[in-house]
Amino acid sequence: KQEVTQIPAALSVPEGENLVLNCSFTDSAIYNLQWFRQDPGKGLTSLLLIQSSQREQTSGRLNASLDKSSGRSTLYIAASQPGDSATYLCASLNQAGTALIFGKGTTLSVSS
Amino acid sequence: NAGVMQNPRHLVRRRGQEARLRCSPMKGHSHVYWYRQLPEEGLKFMVYLQKENIIDESGMPKERFSAEFPKEGPSILRIQQVVRGDSAAYFCASSPGTGLGGAPQTQYFGPGTRLLVL
Repeated sequence: KQEVTQIPAALSVPEGENLVLNCSFTDSAIYNLQWFRQDPGKGLTSLLLIQSSQREQTSGRLNASLDKSSGRSTLYIAASQPGDSATYLCASLNQAGTALIFGKGTTLSVSS
Repeated sequence: NAGVMQNPRHLVRRRGQEARLRCSPMKGHSHVYWYRQLPEEGLKFMVYLQKENIIDESGMPKERFSAEFPKEGPSILRIQQVVRGDSAAYFCASSPGTGLGGAPQTQYFGPGTRLLVL
C-alpha cells in the first residue's frame, strides 16, 4: 500500500530565502507525481506534475525533482515571497491511474 | 472555461440526516474523482467514476456512502445517517479521461464542500 510522507510538517522562513520541501513514497511503481498548493479554506491548485519517466519539472521559481529509485521528490522554491505562504501537498498517482495518494502536506509561512 | 464546481460550499447537518454533495466537472471532462480531507489528515481517495459507471470505489466506506455520475447532471456524493466523524472537507476533481496510449490525464480540483455534522 502506497504511503506518502512529507517533511517538515511546517516551515517558517523570512522573505527571499530559498527552500526545499521533501516528499517520500514507499512504492516506486507510480504513474506520476504531482505537487499542489492549498490555501486555507480553498481547493487545490496544481503546481507541477512529473511523469514517472521524467526527473524534474520547472515553472517560474518552482522546481520539482523525482527520484523513483529512492522514492523521493523535492519541491524547490527560489526567492520565497509572503504570497507563497500556503500548504504544499505532494501526491503520487497509482499505477492504475485512478487515485492520487496524498501526503499530509507542509505548511509554509513566509514572513516579510 | 469554468473550473470544477462544487455545491454547496458549506453544509451543516445534524446526526442522522442525509448529506448530498454535488460536483459539476469541467466542460469536456467525463471522469470524476471524490476525495475526503479529515481534520489534521491528508486527502484520501474515495471513488472514481465515469459517466454512469463506478470505476474504482476502493476508498469508499462500506456503509452509508454512495456516489453516482449520471448521464446528465452533476456527480453526487451521498452520505446517509451522518455522524460527527463525517465532518470533513470533500473535494471533487475531474479529468478529460485518458490521453495517448491510455495515459491518465491531470485531475483538476474543485473548491470543496465543508461538511459539519452537529
